[in-house]
Amino acid sequence: QVQLVQSGAEGKTPGASVRVSCKVSGYTFTAHYLHWVRQAPGQGLEWMGRINPNSGDTIYAQKFQGRVTLTRDTSVTTAYMDLSRLRADDTAVYYCAREWELRFDSWGPGTLVTVSS
Amino acid sequence: DIQMTQSPSSLSASVGDRVTISCRASQAISSYVNWYQQKPGKAPKLLIFAASSLQSGVPSRFSGSGSGTDFILTISSLQPEDLATYHCQQSYANPQTFGQGTKVEL
Repeated sequence: QVQLVQSGAEGKTPGASVRVSCKVSGYTFTAHYLHWVRQAPGQGLEWMGRINPNSGDTIYAQKFQGRVTLTRDTSVTTAYMDLSRLRADDTAVYYCAREWELRFDSWGPGTLVTVSS
Repeated sequence: DIQMTQSPSSLSASVGDRVTISCRASQAISSYVNWYQQKPGKAPKLLIFAASSLQSGVPSRFSGSGSGTDFILTISSLQPEDLATYHCQQSYANPQTFGQGTKVEL
């Protein structure tokens, strides 16, 4: 079955960077876009960007341009989200999600990133 | 960016009630709306795609309707396990945006 497994919780200080990984299984990794969505405590869902695992092409939300980088390693069917220059308001749960025909049909369990001095 | 405005932000209902949640887009988006259910501490789960198509495995008491700018998620007979927050999402254009969520309490 389709599985998206994310890396564990991270604690970072302001100004640092974080990498969250999303390892997929149960389907052809290069066949579907992967998106990243975050959710701050008590808040709604916020789309950050997406990667085409086949080509590596990316699209980012304007809000995160210059701070977020999405990459993938097809040899280990894993996508990565790097977020730099972390601030306290980047504290959130970060999700990866598979796109199937314009909907997110499978999600990872989420990775909590806490930014605090 | 396309704004998605959900209402209400929360609601309280009883088991067996019919519940409706609205989502309004800031511009016409055809039927490019999806609905997700999110339980506390869990990832969102796809319920409805393309405004009115039921995702496989989702109970038939969930339904969606609408096109253009106005969309509705309906739970025909609320069950205790439906306690959750519900999110609409537009997939018409990037950045794909979500509503602020509707918390359903029993």
